[in-house]
Amino acid sequence: DAGVIQSPRHEVTEMGQEVTLRCKPISGHDYLFWYRQTMMRGLELLIYFNNNVPIDDSGMPEDRFSAKMPNASFSTLKIQPSEPRDSAVYFCASSPGLAGEFVPSYNEQFFGPGTRLTVL
Amino acid sequence: GQQVMQIPQYQHVQEGEDFTTYCNSSTTLSNIQWYKQRPGGHPVFLIQLVKSGEVKKQKRLTFQFGEAKKNSSLHITATQTTDVGTYFCANTGTASKLTFGTGTRLQVTL
Repeated sequence: DAGVIQSPRHEVTEMGQEVTLRCKPISGHDYLFWYRQTMMRGLELLIYFNNNVPIDDSGMPEDRFSAKMPNASFSTLKIQPSEPRDSAVYFCASSPGLAGEFVPSYNEQFFGPGTRLTVL
Repeated sequence: GQQVMQIPQYQHVQEGEDFTTYCNSSTTLSNIQWYKQRPGGHPVFLIQLVKSGEVKKQKRLTFQFGEAKKNSSLHITATQTTDVGTYFCANTGTASKLTFGTGTRLQVTL
């Protein structure tokens, strides 16, 4: 398996433009996560899906951000309109989901290489 | 929401010296996962701790979960330049959701 695939790897855009980030999770994984990483705020969870359904979007900064997962092998994170403060590295991660029957034991998350977004 | 703090934020060591990063929470942690992120790279899973007082080893790395499940530590014995990176702890929450710590950046020089 190629692992989690993200595109593009780098994106430079101007303020006000729409940005779409793409992710292909590992086949068979039930969970998909979108994170944002900045020096100031560290690694933040934006939204995650279980079986293509958004479960928790409380980390999405504002209405300019939206995420979709139309099928098990594809997800997008869209920013419209983009602003300079959105500049960050955006990671997608996938996970097989819960493991263990008697002791809650959560599976590891597999991260993609990230998209470095620069909004001028 | 829950905050998971790590100390130190940054540490610079000479190759061969030991290194420890601490992960602390004001509330009880569920399970702890540790990740390593190389410069310019993405987080990579190292290990998961589940039980109170649990200790796990991976070669020169020793991971520990506190008895009260409010803290965890990662200790590297005899650091090497390949250990350079940022180490994150992460608390597992509801349904696979992770809350990442603030991270400790390790620099190792010859």
